[in-house]
Order: sequence, then C-alpha cells, then structure tokens
Amino acid sequence: KQEVTQIPAALSVPEGENLVLNCSFTDSAIYNLQWFRQDPGKGLTSLLLIQSSQREQTSGRLNASLDKSSGRSTLYIAASQPGDSATYLCAVYSSNTGKLIFGQGTTLQVKP
Amino acid sequence: DGGITQSPKYLFRKEGQNVTLSCEQNLNHDAMYWYRQDPGQGLRLIYYSQIVNDFQKGDIAEGYSVSREKKESFPLTVTSAQKNPTAFYLCASSWVAGLDTQYFGPGTRLTVL
Repeated sequence: KQEVTQIPAALSVPEGENLVLNCSFTDSAIYNLQWFRQDPGKGLTSLLLIQSSQREQTSGRLNASLDKSSGRSTLYIAASQPGDSATYLCAVYSSNTGKLIFGQGTTLQVKP
Repeated sequence: DGGITQSPKYLFRKEGQNVTLSCEQNLNHDAMYWYRQDPGQGLRLIYYSQIVNDFQKGDIAEGYSVSREKKESFPLTVTSAQKNPTAFYLCASSWVAGLDTQYFGPGTRLTVL
C-alpha cells in the first residue's frame, strides 16, 4: 500500500531564508509526483508536477526534485517571503492503484 | 474565467439528513474527483469519474453517492449513512485521470449539527 509522509509537519523561518520541504513515499511504482499549495480554508493550487522519468522541475523560486529509487522528493523554496506561508502537500499518482495519494502536508510560516 | 466552482461554501446538516454538494467545471476536463480533508490529515479520495455516466469508488466511499450525467457536473451526496460527515470537501478535475495536474475547487465545509 502506497504511503506518503511529509516531514516536518510545521516549519517557521525568517523572511529571506532558503528552505527545503521533504516528501517520502513507500512504493516506487508511480507515474508522477505533484506538489500543491493550500491556503487556510481554501482549495489546492498545483505548484509543480514531476513525471516519473524526470529528476526535477522548476517554477520561479520553486524547485522540486524526485528520486524514485529512494522514494523521496524535495521542494526547495528560494528567498522565502511572508506570502509563501501556507500548507504544502505532496501527492504521488500510484501506478498500482491508479489514484493520487496525498501526504499530510507541511505548514510553513515565513516571518517578516 | 475557466475553473471549478463548488457550492455552497458552508453547509450545515442535521442528523439523519442527506445533503448534496455541487461541483461544476468549465475546463472541458474528462476526469473529476471528490476528496475529503480532515484537520491535520491529507486528502482522501471518495469517488472519481473518468467519463460521463461512469464513476468509481475511492478509498472512503461508504455513506456517499455521486452522479455524472454531464461532463461539467459531478455532485456529491452525503447520506445519513455517513456517520462522521463533518469535514472539508474538495472537488477536482483533470484532463486524463491521474496523469495530469488536478485542478481544485475552493471547497465546501460541511458541519453536522
């Protein structure tokens, strides 16, 4: 059974710091991995999608990496800003189940 | 404006009532999904539909029902059989089930009184 874990559950950093969010998954049989952002009481916004054959994707200050063999992904946020404060969720699309499996999320607070 | 709309934003249900949550998309996506989110937990899949007039159970389908009569619409009914329905419900859609980015609606918060 595919399980997705995100550590830490919460993170607080000062503005301007570079930071890394971690995501691990137990089954390497995946089609892709996605990172989402969720603001309090809102829906999810897709940030990056990495296909299983890719190693990383970049969008602006965000860079996501994927190491399928070790079951790990990281989301790197450069020069963090207070507006980056939100919950970040990773999800893997499992080849075996045909479903998107979500982690519990990391809640990020960037202090001015 | 293209996107996904959910209504209502807040919904209150009395014990024993069925309630229906609306989800509409104008992105011309084939696949649509319903997820449930509880505090401190990730999203769990309730039902999904890859094409009109077809849908499959997700991981927590008990006490829920759906229909997909139109490509744009995927309503979710929370029945009285769902023992703990208080949660945040999210609808999503994508071009191809699972392989493409899923686009999410703003959510409906359901509370049982």
